[in-house]
Amino acid sequence: SQQGEEDPQALSIQEGENATMNCSYKTSINNLQWYRQNSGRGLVHLILIRSNEREKHSGRLRVTLDTSKKSSSLLITASRAADTASYFCATVPPNFGNEKLTFGTGTRLTIIP
Amino acid sequence: AAGVIQSPRHLIKEKRETATLKCYPIPRHDTVYWYQQGPGQDPQFLISFYEKMQSDKGSIPDRFSAQQFSDYHSELNMSSLELGDSALYFCASSLGDDEQFFGPGTRLTVL
Repeated sequence: SQQGEEDPQALSIQEGENATMNCSYKTSINNLQWYRQNSGRGLVHLILIRSNEREKHSGRLRVTLDTSKKSSSLLITASRAADTASYFCATVPPNFGNEKLTFGTGTRLTIIP
Repeated sequence: AAGVIQSPRHLIKEKRETATLKCYPIPRHDTVYWYQQGPGQDPQFLISFYEKMQSDKGSIPDRFSAQQFSDYHSELNMSSLELGDSALYFCASSLGDDEQFFGPGTRLTVL
């Protein structure tokens, strides 16, 4: 089954710096989504980017998608302590809607105050 | 706004016991999904239901079963529990194939 792999697995940065997390996947996609998960808590949907889009913004979040390289990146600008969480990418295969999510392995982001 | 509700939030069971997890989707959502997330792992899709019928099946063990009821709530039944079943179990709901909204999860610990 298709699965995204996040890179790095763990990232620690100072508050105020930018954080970049990458996701690579194996097969074609309909769309790619990023989720945040605070420790032991539920998943929160952050942003969705479709296969025909290259970049998308939402507040301090910027997502890029390169379908030729089968990769996506999530940039969080001006990081805050509250951004400390695990971040997962999830893909949806072609010809499916969001009912067919497959999650990647996640990046653990720690923001140091 | 109403969110996905899961109960219980925490559950402790002994090996070989049975557990039942409940999920109450967002009102008017017709699709429910179950995911299992082991310690330090990514969420793994187990099973989904659309309009009370099973719509898709993932890596769900034969010891587990699930159903969606007429009021759209869903239950995940887990029998002959094993230590490896200890995990966070998430339920998500959606309206058709729109965005999935996740519940807070049930943390199951098998001793």
